[in-house]
Amino acid sequence: GAGVSQTPSNKVTEKGKYVELRCDPISGHTALYWYRQSLGQGPEFLIYFQGTGAADDSGLPNDRFFAVRPEGSVSTLKIQRTERGDSAVYLCASSLTGSSGEQFFGPGTRLTVL
Amino acid sequence: QQQVKQSPQSLIVQKGGISIINCAYENTAFDYFPWYQQFPGKGPALLIAIRPDVSEKKEGRFTISFNKSAKQFSLHIMDSQPGDSATYFCAPWHSGTYKYIFGTGTRLKVLA
Repeated sequence: GAGVSQTPSNKVTEKGKYVELRCDPISGHTALYWYRQSLGQGPEFLIYFQGTGAADDSGLPNDRFFAVRPEGSVSTLKIQRTERGDSAVYLCASSLTGSSGEQFFGPGTRLTVL
Repeated sequence: QQQVKQSPQSLIVQKGGISIINCAYENTAFDYFPWYQQFPGKGPALLIAIRPDVSEKKEGRFTISFNKSAKQFSLHIMDSQPGDSATYFCAPWHSGTYKYIFGTGTRLKVLA
């Protein structure tokens, strides 16, 4: 079966631009997570969706970051007015339920802000 | 991430040797203790995990040892192989918050 997919795999943008990163979770998984991984670091939690709603967005660094999951499946992470410090790999993960423990990660989107 | 300290930062092991990676945590509410393996250009993948009601779990060449009183758990890779060369993350989890707290990672290189 298909795993978690993310598009694009790489995104290069200029400072101040708007970007959208897409995540397709494993079919049937109700829980979806976004993480950010900087070079040489472990992933850092950004936001968790249970179904369509954001159950925990405590990891979003500021109001330039926003994520949606309108139909409880695909999710989009949106970053406004990008800054060079936003450059990182953005990882999406899904799990069968929020309490199931194991999260399945996608390959990530490498975002570079010039 | 200050809650989770992983060591060593990097590790070089000869083929057939034992690789040991340690993870220390602070939050006693953590109730699931996984190790994730990440290859370059890929997302992390679950390798092995343990619940706090047992002190050790073995799956093939991989073993987790868990010390609840010391708030530490470790990953042992027996008969290490070049294909094990990857970055390993501990990621203790608290079911009440539904999110992992990842360690900083250990880059393992197994020499052929």
